[in-house]
Amino acid sequence: EAGVAQSPRYKIIEKRQSVAFWCNPISGHATLYWYQQILGQGPKLLIQFQNNGVVDDSQLPKDRFSAERLKGVDSTLKIQPAKLEDSAVYLCASTSLAGLYEQYFGPGTRLTVT
Amino acid sequence: AQSVTQLGSHVSVSEGALVLLRCNYSSSVPPYLFWYVQYPNQGLQLLLKYTTGATLVKGINGFEAEFKKSETSFHLTKPSAHMSDAAEYFCAVINFQGAQKLVFGQGTRLTINP
Repeated sequence: EAGVAQSPRYKIIEKRQSVAFWCNPISGHATLYWYQQILGQGPKLLIQFQNNGVVDDSQLPKDRFSAERLKGVDSTLKIQPAKLEDSAVYLCASTSLAGLYEQYFGPGTRLTVT
Repeated sequence: AQSVTQLGSHVSVSEGALVLLRCNYSSSVPPYLFWYVQYPNQGLQLLLKYTTGATLVKGINGFEAEFKKSETSFHLTKPSAHMSDAAEYFCAVINFQGAQKLVFGQGTRLTINP
């Protein structure tokens, strides 16, 4: 079974530029998560999708961050414009409805904002 | 709201020695608890989880953890450390209030000395 795929793996941009990350979850997994992991901290949930609907986006900075999951499969997370404090690893995870809360994580995208 | 605290951001042990990583939780309802491991430049991998039933849970790579309600703890142990255990370890709890999302501790970096 293929795991969660993410791209790109690394991205360096200047502040005020925009950037987009892509995630393809494990086939058949209905729930998809985006986390932000700042260096030295645990991951923090940004947004949770169930199929193509948003379940929780309470910690998503909506003035600059947006995410979508069209057709309930892959997802994109966008930042526009980026700030220095957005430098972090962005992790995507997925789980099945019957997965007993076991989330499978992708390798992450490391974003550096200069 | 549920939360976890990991005691010690860095732990160093000798190869072959006991590994003990500490995690305390705060929860107003019976918790679901998890330990994840993160190797350099990789996503998170589930080591083990406690939901209900037996309080001593065994995971992959020889790790185990014991849920102690009276101490609100879920410490991770391994009898004999191996060089390949060097990684970042995260304790997490499910937040059942609203969307069911993982809340992570800040992580403990485990170093193995030869």
